[in-house]
Amino acid sequence: AQSVAQPEDQVNVAEGNPLTVKCTYSVSGNPYLFWYVQYPNRGLQFLLKYITGDNLVKGSYGFEAEFNKSQTSFHLKKPSALVSDSALYFCAVRVPLTGTYKYIFGTGTRLKVLA
Amino acid sequence: DSGVTQTPKHLITATGQRVTLRCSPRSGDLSVYWYQQSLDQGLQFLIQYYNGEERAKGNILERFSAQQFPDLHSELNLSSLELGDSALYFCASSYGNTIYFGEGSWLTVV
Repeated sequence: AQSVAQPEDQVNVAEGNPLTVKCTYSVSGNPYLFWYVQYPNRGLQFLLKYITGDNLVKGSYGFEAEFNKSQTSFHLKKPSALVSDSALYFCAVRVPLTGTYKYIFGTGTRLKVLA
Repeated sequence: DSGVTQTPKHLITATGQRVTLRCSPRSGDLSVYWYQQSLDQGLQFLIQYYNGEERAKGNILERFSAQQFPDLHSELNLSSLELGDSALYFCASSYGNTIYFGEGSWLTVV
C-alpha cells in the first residue's frame, strides 16, 4: 500500500541548532514529494517539493529537504532553527490516480524550537 | 495567501443539524480536495473532485457528501452532526503538481 511515514510525533531543538524532520515513503515509481507547514489555527502552507533533478531542494523560510531514493526518504532540514519555526510539519507524496493525482499525507511532526 | 477561499471560517451548530462548507479553488485549478483535521489527529482525506466529477473517496462518512459545481467551486455537506464531527475542515486545490490549502472551516458541534 502507498504510504508516508513521519516517525517522530515531536521534535525538540534549541534555537540556532540545525533541525531535521524525518519522512519516509512507500510508493511505486518516481514520486513527487512535498513538505507543508501548519501554524496554529492556520491552513497548511506549501514549503517545498521534489520532482526530479538535484536531490537537495530548497524552499521557503530557509528550509531544505534531501531526497534519498535508496532509503525512500525525504527529510526536512534547516541549518539554524528559529523559535518562529515551531509548528506542525507534514510530508506528502503525490501518486497517480485515474486521470488525475491524489496526495497522501503523513501524520505530522510537531517541531518545538526552544529559546 | 494560497488563493483557496473557504467559508465560513468558524461555525457552531447543534447535534443533529446540517451544515454546508464552501470552497472556491485557485483560479484555473480543476481539482478540489476535502480534508478533515480533528484534534490530535492528522489530516484525513475525505473526497476529491476533478472538473466536476468525483475522482476519489477517502474516509468520508455516509452522513457527509460533496459536490463540485460547473464554476469549479465545491461544497461539503455535513448532516446529522455529532459531537465527534467537530474538526477543522480543509479544502485544497491543484492544477499543476502542487496542492494548495485554504485556511479551513472550524466546525464546533455542541
